[in-house]
Amino acid sequence: DAEITQSPRHKITETGRQVTLACHQTWNHNNMFWYRQDLGHGLRLIHYSYGVQDTNKGEVSDGYSVSRSNTEDLPLTLESAASSQTSVYFCASSESRVTGDTQYFGPGTRLTVL
Amino acid sequence: EDQVTQSPEALRLQEGESSSLNCSYTVSGLRGLFWYRQDPGKGPEFLFTLYSAGEEKEKERLKATLTKKESFLHITAPKPEDSATYLCAVQAITGGFKTIFGAGTRLFVKA
Repeated sequence: DAEITQSPRHKITETGRQVTLACHQTWNHNNMFWYRQDLGHGLRLIHYSYGVQDTNKGEVSDGYSVSRSNTEDLPLTLESAASSQTSVYFCASSESRVTGDTQYFGPGTRLTVL
Repeated sequence: EDQVTQSPEALRLQEGESSSLNCSYTVSGLRGLFWYRQDPGKGPEFLFTLYSAGEEKEKERLKATLTKKESFLHITAPKPEDSATYLCAVQAITGGFKTIFGAGTRLFVKA
């Protein structure tokens, strides 16, 4: 069965360290997305990609970067982790459909920055 | 600015007590409105997509409806296993494939 996986599931790091969160999907979807979820804010878009070598900034992209070298993976990098980046991070993927594009989500990564 | 507002923030029901969750949206041309269910510690799981005003979709005890300004998720005779956070989201015609999510409604169903 096709799926979307994230690793690690839990991560504790220190302020100033570089951290990379992995996202891998076997749906063969063109579109991939990274969100963060915080109490009271719901899901907020960090970065997204519509295909290999394509990346775009979302509403909360400061301090984060992504790269897309193949269809299956979209790693999220925190260049210099800050306490404000403590959150739960979700990766999602979708097909490119004109009429409404259902997103499929991974299980999430809980990141704590001390 | 495209926006999604869900109410109430939390809802406590007795088993069998039917109710509705509200999702109000502002979007510059609706491509689709989505409902997701999220269990604690898990990623959101897709429930429904609605495309145009007047459309309705059902799945077990859940029924989603859509007007030009809002969507309702009706829960009929809920069971404890329906307890979860329900997320509403929209895609705008001019927004590519980006999805804008509401903050969610946390539903608690007591046996």
